[in-house]
Amino acid sequence: KNEVEQSPQNLTAQEGEFITINCSYSVGISALHWLQQHPGGGIVSLFMLSSGKKKHGRLIATINIQEKHSSLHITASHPRDSAVYICAAPDKYSGGGADGLTFGKGTHLIIQP
Amino acid sequence: GAVVSQHPSRVICKSGTSVKIECRSLDFQATTMFWYRQFPKKSLMLMATSNEGSKATYEQGVEKDKFLINHASLTLSTLTVTSAHPEDSSFYICSASRSSVINEQFFGPGTRLTVL
Repeated sequence: KNEVEQSPQNLTAQEGEFITINCSYSVGISALHWLQQHPGGGIVSLFMLSSGKKKHGRLIATINIQEKHSSLHITASHPRDSAVYICAAPDKYSGGGADGLTFGKGTHLIIQP
Repeated sequence: GAVVSQHPSRVICKSGTSVKIECRSLDFQATTMFWYRQFPKKSLMLMATSNEGSKATYEQGVEKDKFLINHASLTLSTLTVTSAHPEDSSFYICSASRSSVINEQFFGPGTRLTVL
């Protein structure tokens, strides 16, 4: 089973700061997910990436398959970015279809005005 | 596109009753659906994998007779919590996958179950 580790667990920053959240996993995978969870629980899928870098607005996700490491960056952070950010990796490498995910414990981000 | 809905969003029930949670893919066909649960201040954990037309595959430690999963069509999977117990109180989330895209999963908004 894949082991997914995230850091930091908690992060408080000032509005406008550049945020980095890290994720490492133990088993080689075909793709990694970054998710956002707001109070109340609803999950929003931010990125699914298998190589290189993806950008969506102020969010950037990178992955290094060889090092089994991914990062999520937030530029020009804003209080509305406050949420729990979770990375998730498939339990095993899959050549097709989809596998259940193993989730990191999440990073609780608070952006103060 | 790729929207997944869950119903109900919140449910409160008495111990011993059964609760059904629906997961629907609204604009695509989902050959595989996953059920996850999250206890307070804990990570999401995979409960079971459901493929349309076949029996669900349950993770170790998840009782298949307690958590009944039915994936009767390519757009609907249901999770029924039978003989609910307060320890079943949790946040249940489904996700759906199109077989054409490796490891792409679309998540539902979740269902908060409280068992009194």
